[in-house]
Amino acid sequence: KQEVTQIPAALSVPEGENLVLNCSFTDSAIYNLQWFRQDPGKGLTSLLLIQSSQREQTSGRLNASLDKSSGRSTLYIAASQPGDSATYLCAATGNQFYFGTGTSLTVIP
Amino acid sequence: GAVVSQHPSRVICKSGTSVKIECRSLDFQATTMFWYRQFPKQSLMLMATSNEGSKATYEQGVEKDKFLINHASLTLSTLTVTSAHPEDSSFYICSARDRQGGNQPQHFGDGTRLSIL
Repeated sequence: KQEVTQIPAALSVPEGENLVLNCSFTDSAIYNLQWFRQDPGKGLTSLLLIQSSQREQTSGRLNASLDKSSGRSTLYIAASQPGDSATYLCAATGNQFYFGTGTSLTVIP
Repeated sequence: GAVVSQHPSRVICKSGTSVKIECRSLDFQATTMFWYRQFPKQSLMLMATSNEGSKATYEQGVEKDKFLINHASLTLSTLTVTSAHPEDSSFYICSARDRQGGNQPQHFGDGTRLSIL
């Protein structure tokens, strides 16, 4: 069974810093890798979707990369802002969704 | 850990059929459950928020009369796709949040792959 791990579990940074969130998965036979944001009490918000044939996707200050061979994906957030504070989840999609445990990010003003 | 059971995992049926998908929280009570869908090569999108004992809140563009949501108990929410058509073929996934609220995480089901012929 696919196992998805996210490191670190929690991260606290001062405003303006660039940061990287890590996601690793054990089975490289995936359709795609997705990154989500989760605000307390809210549903998931999709951030970036990387198809299995792609290596990266960018949206604004966010950049996600995918290395299937090593079973890794990273989410890079540039110039972090307090509004970026949330839990970030990655999910590897095969026949099912396999979610990571998330990284709780706090950006300090 | 907390477990959400989603059933069935796969449905193949004819156009015009109504399909019910169940989402159960197995070891916790959930006042709120979320329903998502994902079309091929697209991101997972929130459809609606299901609240126990009250009407669901639907996201813009989601037809409430086509996607009926019932959250009759603290451990069960159902999504019924009424008169399903091929364009409804998608991956549907639910999640549930512990009634303790606050910053409790969501727990996800394994999803239901719906194929309408």
